[in-house]
Amino acid sequence: GAVVSQHPSWVICKSGTSVKIECRSLDFQATTMFWYRQFPKQSLMLMATSNEGSKATYEQGVEKDKFLINHASLTLSTLTVTSAHPEDSSFYICSARDRREIGYNEQFFGPGTRLTVL
Amino acid sequence: GENVEQHPSTLSVQEGDSAVIKCTYSDSASNYFPWYKQELGKGPQLIIDIRSNVGEKKDQRIAVTLNKTAKHFSLHITETQPEDSAVYFCAAPFGNEKLTFGTGTRLTIIP
Repeated sequence: GAVVSQHPSWVICKSGTSVKIECRSLDFQATTMFWYRQFPKQSLMLMATSNEGSKATYEQGVEKDKFLINHASLTLSTLTVTSAHPEDSSFYICSARDRREIGYNEQFFGPGTRLTVL
Repeated sequence: GENVEQHPSTLSVQEGDSAVIKCTYSDSASNYFPWYKQELGKGPQLIIDIRSNVGEKKDQRIAVTLNKTAKHFSLHITETQPEDSAVYFCAAPFGNEKLTFGTGTRLTIIP
């Protein structure tokens, strides 16, 4: 149980284009999903919190107009990197909370998406 | 917000020996402490977690201890095997639902 998938697993795009990454909870419903970015040999940095049916909450320093998040259902959140530039190249990881889990911040992580912007 | 410190940053252990990784946190109200294992090119995998109502939890070769007074928790891996080589992250709650991660420990098991 508690499986989270991401698609695609890797993507290469040209500078200036947009890329969409999907995050799905496969066997549970997630009212809250999180998007992280991880640069090589660094820790996970939270970018935004995605809540089903409402606007995402972005961490300080993360451009909401550049990283568009949509959480249209209890099992799907998408991250769109708009007008991507080489400095956006990174490992993007999503996580999800089981809506039945109350009181503890337990999160299940997806396998990550490697984005390379040329 | 929560501040999580993790050490050591790298750890090399002879196969069969034990490995210990430690984390400290700042928010005394924190109640949930997970440990994640991340292999190269993959997402973090939850390997064990502990809630603040217990002091220790074990799962086969892996154990986590929690000292709420000192605000630190530790990951213990016994009888280490080559497949234990990975980067390990601790985390602590931040806000209502978020987690703050430690800086990671690269564990290398020497055959």
